[in-house]
Amino acid sequence: GAVVSQHPSWVICKSGTSVKIECRSLDFQATTMFWYRQFPKQSLMLMATSNEGSKATYEQGVEKDKFLINHASLTLSTLTVTSAHPEDSSFYICSARRSDSGNQPQHFGDGTRLSIL
Amino acid sequence: DAKTTQPPSMDCAEGRAANLPCNHSTISGNEYVYWYRQIHSQGPQYIIHGLKNNETNEMASLIITEDRKSSTLILPHATLRDTAVYYCIVRVETSGSRLTFGEGTQLTVNP
Repeated sequence: GAVVSQHPSWVICKSGTSVKIECRSLDFQATTMFWYRQFPKQSLMLMATSNEGSKATYEQGVEKDKFLINHASLTLSTLTVTSAHPEDSSFYICSARRSDSGNQPQHFGDGTRLSIL
Repeated sequence: DAKTTQPPSMDCAEGRAANLPCNHSTISGNEYVYWYRQIHSQGPQYIIHGLKNNETNEMASLIITEDRKSSTLILPHATLRDTAVYYCIVRVETSGSRLTFGEGTQLTVNP
């Protein structure tokens, strides 16, 4: 089956630090990957759509200069939270979908729990 | 993408069938119905999807009404591990189309 791997699973760091989260599609190629954020007891909120070889598309209200997305290959997208602050503490989840699929679902990573002290 | 409406919570006895409803009265002809679930502190897990016909896989069955305005996810023999938030999502099937998550239904399977 389609497997999406996210790393790291959890991060604790000091305020002002930049944190990079990796999302990999392990057994398929993904032209498009998606980054979500989930606060406690809330649903997933789409942050941005990551497109291989081009700029990411950000949802309204998401700062592109704070949440840097790079999708340099068909199997890897990274999200960097720059100068993180306590309010950026959240559960970050990525998803990916096969590039060649016309009717295949997105598959999700297990998420990264980010805690900023 | 069409909006969906789900009950906020449901309970089910272990071993019994869990029937989770979803209303999507504004669904368009080219929009699929997807079901995902999220177990606490994990990423969402794909369950099943369909367009018009009923679908079944090893996890669940999806029943879509003839007018496509509602659907039901059926877990035939619920176990404690099926306790999760279940999301019903409708979307157009294109390579770049994203999933918009609502609040979902918290299913609790009781022993």
